[in-house]
Amino acid sequence: DTGVSQDPRHKITKRGQNVTFRCDPISEHNRLYWYRQTLGQGPEFLTYFQNEAQLEKSRLLSDRFSAERPKGSFSTLEIQRTEQGDSAMYLCASSLGSGHNTEAFFGQGTRLTVV
Amino acid sequence: QQQVKQSPQSLIVQKGGISIINCAYENTAFDYFPWYQQFPGKGPALLIAIRPDVSEKKEGRFTISFNKSAKQFSLHIMDSQPGDSATYFCAASKGNDMRFGAGTRLTVKP
Repeated sequence: DTGVSQDPRHKITKRGQNVTFRCDPISEHNRLYWYRQTLGQGPEFLTYFQNEAQLEKSRLLSDRFSAERPKGSFSTLEIQRTEQGDSAMYLCASSLGSGHNTEAFFGQGTRLTVV
Repeated sequence: QQQVKQSPQSLIVQKGGISIINCAYENTAFDYFPWYQQFPGKGPALLIAIRPDVSEKKEGRFTISFNKSAKQFSLHIMDSQPGDSATYFCAASKGNDMRFGAGTRLTVKP
């Protein structure tokens, strides 16, 4: 499978615990995005990497959230001290290009449930 | 805060009919307008996209109509099939800033 891969697919955690998600983009893609999608809503932008540099962060990304892309390949999204409001689908997308508006390919997402 | 408004929330169409989903945006700086299709348990997949220098784009049974002055665009699915049943999201972007509509759940009845 050469698409965007996310792990795990599902995560149930207790409130207050830390969780980490992984995204493996399409191999030659230099851009990587994280989105959050709640039920009945469209994806909301969280953060964006070009290679290993985190270039943009949404105001939605509180200080409990941190993302890394250490070698410009896979990325991790960590949520510390999870809250019930963090329950959502976390989507990763990747794209290739240095210009604007190149097609982004989404992974299947990680569904987080905070109990 | 919601920069892209999508309607209807849900749509039921008979097989062979035309499905029409509408979106309106606020930011005139947006210069790329994609539509995504999402099946349950899957991530969104790009269906078709348009730039504001054209008023219509057609790919197979899918057509985007774009009205720059009204800041509106719509997706038309001709000859709708049960396999088209999914959630459709419109989006508008400028550079890496992509804003999505809330989605339309389409059900095509056989």
